[in-house]
Amino acid sequence: RKEVEQDPGPFNVPEGATVAFNCTYSNSASQSFFWYRQDCRKEPKLLMSVYSSGNEDGRFTAQLNRASQYISLLIRDSKLSDSATYLCVVNKPRSDKVIFGPGTSLSVIP
Amino acid sequence: DAMVIQNPRYQVTQFGKPVTLSCSQTLNHNVMYWYQQKSSQAPKLLFHYYDKDFNNEADTPDNFQSRRPNTSFCFLDIRSPGLGDAAMYLCATSRDRGHIPSTDTQYFGPGTRLTVL
Repeated sequence: RKEVEQDPGPFNVPEGATVAFNCTYSNSASQSFFWYRQDCRKEPKLLMSVYSSGNEDGRFTAQLNRASQYISLLIRDSKLSDSATYLCVVNKPRSDKVIFGPGTSLSVIP
Repeated sequence: DAMVIQNPRYQVTQFGKPVTLSCSQTLNHNVMYWYQQKSSQAPKLLFHYYDKDFNNEADTPDNFQSRRPNTSFCFLDIRSPGLGDAAMYLCATSRDRGHIPSTDTQYFGPGTRLTVL
């Protein structure tokens, strides 16, 4: 089992749609969870950190379920500018490192 | 107001010709990372520094070396680039180890895209 797994995608959704991405992690001792977005040929940029049971930032909502070792990202009212790859990132316990999921590609279509 | 700066943004080198990529940060973060990212893949950690302590990944080829002369700067040296080393190289920083929440959040520079001819 991979340390961090994500929905394989790609997701193609119309503008205005709601889309949800799922991520699971294998190490129950992980404590820090992040969603990054990465545009084509650009660097990953932090979208949201998820430290407790979940948090919301405008159209974006992240949820964490520690019992199921599951993280989700919900995007409401999708915009064309939301088209990107979304990376689920989880800290590696007892280290300075993080583990990246493989990413899920989103295309928002006019 | 860039916080993690990488130079150059694009680097073209010849097969076997050494190349050095640089990263600087204005965040005063303790930890600096170098990642390699190839098309449609997640970033792959090559090595990182916690302050001056160097941590190499077990599968990082000897061809890749790094230096961190001070808190602000970190360099990636590729001694003899091969065609398979063509990739985006990303530098990232984090304030600390995450003992306090948010201190382990990583911030990335814009990357250096390396082409090997």
